[in-house]
Amino acid sequence: QVQLQESGPGLVKPSETLSLTCTVSGGSINNNYWTWIRQPPGRGLEYFGYIYYTGSTNYNPSLKSPFTMSVDTSKNQFSLKLTSVTAADTAVYFCARLGPTAAGSSPYHYMDVWGKGTAVIVSS
Amino acid sequence: DIVMTQSPLSLAVTPGEPASISCRSSQSLLRSNGYNYLDWYLQKPGQSPQVLIYLGSIRASGVPDRFSGSGSGTDFTLKITRVEPEDVGIYYCMQAEQAPRTFGGGTKVQIK
Repeated sequence: QVQLQESGPGLVKPSETLSLTCTVSGGSINNNYWTWIRQPPGRGLEYFGYIYYTGSTNYNPSLKSPFTMSVDTSKNQFSLKLTSVTAADTAVYFCARLGPTAAGSSPYHYMDVWGKGTAVIVSS
Repeated sequence: DIVMTQSPLSLAVTPGEPASISCRSSQSLLRSNGYNYLDWYLQKPGQSPQVLIYLGSIRASGVPDRFSGSGSGTDFTLKITRVEPEDVGIYYCMQAEQAPRTFGGGTKVQIK
């Protein structure tokens, strides 16, 4: 059974870079799409986009925070990096798998496995 | 981006009674393949979200049959036939028809 575990620094200073990693266990990172979602305190869910195990990405251009995703198949990990963080980036960050299914003859992916989340506070 | 609007914002339900949550999208989520590209997720207190329904009406593995999803186009409903205490949490709809995926604001379900 696939499990995901986020890891991160917990506390980051404004203008610094935030690096988060999601470790995949119980299954392979290969042949799957992976995604990041965050939840600011007391608010709803924000979708960052996804990364395929090959490294190809599809980002959410509506998020104001500059970010990139990467994947390391040798470690069964994928990562999210936010640069120049501000207080608005304070949130719980979740990683998830976009699990495959079929919509007729078309592929469809939904968030079928989630990590427990890691809290990040941006503060000096 | 497609805007997802949920109602009500919160709901207090007596155990054993039904509950219904509405989700409306700013654009149609119905594809030519006949499927609506909409999921429902539940975030229980202190937990990460978990999928309940995908493609508008298909229950995810392990989800009790008291949960059902319906609707098409721009109007969708999640129904719980008999609410149980473990159903408390925040319910989110999310569209996958157009990038980027977007979530509704959430509906908080509490027990009376």
